[in-house]
Amino acid sequence: GQQLNQSPQSMFIQEGEDVSMNCTSSSIFNTWLWYKQEPGEGPVLLIALYKAGELTSNGRLTAQFGITRKDSFLNISASIPSDVGIYFCAGQLSGLQKKSSGDKLTFGTGTRLAVRP
Amino acid sequence: SAVISQKPSRDICQRGTSLTIQCQVDSQVTMMFWYRQQPGQSLTLIATANQGSEATYESGFVIDKFPISRPNLTFSTLTVSNMSPEDSSIYLCSACVMQQETQYFGPGTRLLVL
Repeated sequence: GQQLNQSPQSMFIQEGEDVSMNCTSSSIFNTWLWYKQEPGEGPVLLIALYKAGELTSNGRLTAQFGITRKDSFLNISASIPSDVGIYFCAGQLSGLQKKSSGDKLTFGTGTRLAVRP
Repeated sequence: SAVISQKPSRDICQRGTSLTIQCQVDSQVTMMFWYRQQPGQSLTLIATANQGSEATYESGFVIDKFPISRPNLTFSTLTVSNMSPEDSSIYLCSACVMQQETQYFGPGTRLLVL
């Protein structure tokens, strides 16, 4: 089946540093999503990308949808302790013109982020 | 946004028993899904919960082991049947809200099978 590989697997950084993580796929997705999961919680959507080449920001977070539609990256600028968590990319076959069969998500392997104050 | 609640939040069960997990959404939704997240792992889709009909299962998951119901648009249940220690995982419900592009997740049910 489809598999999304994330790198790095984990990061331990100093508060204030910028963070970059990426996600690659063996097949094409029409929507890329980035989620954050904190301990004891379900994933929370951070950014959604719907068009190849799209660059989208949400506060200190920036994500891009790769031109090939097989990859995406997420950057976090000026990290703070509350950025700690596991970041997952997810691919979705359906695009903005949604078809129900494409709504299911394929999740990446996750990047575990720790921030040292 | 949508608020998704799950019950129970956690449970410890004996081998061979079954547990039913409930998922309730506070908004009208189109699609509902059930995922499994094994310790330290990513999320894997178990099935799509279809309203009024049988769920659609992903490869490696079967109805006898994970029966699913969805009697209306905003409620679904997942049963983990004849449990073994390998079923110890977090089980998460998710839903796509009408008129929105976003898939929301519940907080998960943490299951430990002894």
